Amino acid sequence: GENVEQHPSTLSVQEGDSAVIKCTYSDSASNYFPWYKQELGKGPQLIIDIRSNVGEKKDQRIAVTLNKTAKHFSLHITETQPEDSAVYFCAASITNDYKLSFGAGTTVTVRA
Amino acid sequence: EAQVTQNPRYLITVTGKKLTVTCSQNMNHEYMSWYRQDPGLGLRQIYYSMNVEVTDKGDVPEGYKVSRKEKRNFPLILESPSPNQTSLYFCASSSDRDNSPLHFGNGTRLTVT
Repeated sequence: GENVEQHPSTLSVQEGDSAVIKCTYSDSASNYFPWYKQELGKGPQLIIDIRSNVGEKKDQRIAVTLNKTAKHFSLHITETQPEDSAVYFCAASITNDYKLSFGAGTTVTVRA
Repeated sequence: EAQVTQNPRYLITVTGKKLTVTCSQNMNHEYMSWYRQDPGLGLRQIYYSMNVEVTDKGDVPEGYKVSRKEKRNFPLILESPSPNQTSLYFCASSSDRDNSPLHFGNGTRLTVT
């Protein structure tokens, strides 16, 4: 099955700096890559996703890049703010497949 | 408000005492799923359901049961809980299979002593 590895496990950044989280996947058939944000005491919430026919996608301060050849994708958060502090999960799946495989998560702390 | 509701939020029980964690969604979603979250392991899928009376195993189904008798409800049943099932559990739903966003509940923290 699909194996998703996520790094780093923890990330501390100064407010205003950028944060980058990287994930690799094993199944070359995977073609859908969402990112979820989990705030304390809540369930994960989708923040951005990318499909394999696209190399990059942006939504305000967050962006995701995908390298299909290398089988890795990354989340970029620019101009970090205290409300960006959370646990972030990457995931991978195949379209029309119910199995979404998650990475182990990255705890991001934004220092004021 | 569109939401996935899990109950209870916290549960402490003893080994072997059957328990049920309820999950209900009000979005008329076909797909529902259960995950467990453990430190360093991320979210692992336990069971999922594509529609009423249709369920299938995820990656870690051992020791769990589910049922989908109604579209809105998807309870998770632990017939004989063990300490290794101590975890944070999440129910999720989505509208269809084509990678629609998962909507998660706020989690159930289970401790089995």
